[in-house]
Amino acid sequence: GQNIDQPTEMTATEGAIVQINCTYQTSGFNGLFWYQQHAGEAPTFLSYNVLDGLEEKGRFSSFLSRSKGYSYLLLKELQMKDSASYLCAVRDLGGYSTLTFGKGTMLLVSP
Amino acid sequence: SQTIHQWPATLVQPVGSPLSLECTVEGTSNPNLYWYRQAAGRGLQLLFYSVGIGQISSEVPQNLSASRPQDRQFILSSKKLLLSDSGFYLCATPQGLAGGPSDTQYFGPGTRLTVL
Repeated sequence: GQNIDQPTEMTATEGAIVQINCTYQTSGFNGLFWYQQHAGEAPTFLSYNVLDGLEEKGRFSSFLSRSKGYSYLLLKELQMKDSASYLCAVRDLGGYSTLTFGKGTMLLVSP
Repeated sequence: SQTIHQWPATLVQPVGSPLSLECTVEGTSNPNLYWYRQAAGRGLQLLFYSVGIGQISSEVPQNLSASRPQDRQFILSSKKLLLSDSGFYLCATPQGLAGGPSDTQYFGPGTRLTVL
């Protein structure tokens, strides 16, 4: 099975940098995903890591350490519209692309 | 690219009533389809997935069932709803998205179900 932990809530100020951590314990690992979910909406894909290291995508970066079972999502130059829930999800080794999600981290960006 | 439609968008149902939620996909044929539920205070939980017509795999034993009557249609049902069935139900299909693998889960708009 999979167990995924991430902080419940975080707050940050507009223009700042915030790091959202995710730790996982899995029986199999085939990639880690980050999704953004605004209130009342469906999750949208942000980033993907399958090898160790940093993936950068504009203001968003995601890091993975497979040996430590650890990932983080880094958001730079925060904007008010970044207030949302950020979901960490792990894909297992099965062939059907199924994901196990953490409970999500609610990020509130204040002026 | 693919488009997922879910119907209805919101639903309020009494305990003990039946349920039918529909998911349809455009822009692809024979897609893998998934039902997830997001309940208050819990993460997204995979309920069912289907790799083809009539093929359903259940991930969590519960009060719900799924069916795949057509290639691009996925139905979530219940004969008698429980209070604990309340949540946000999301249909998903794999899709190649920028920065992700070809089977990145792409979610439909969801159905918000409240059981009273």
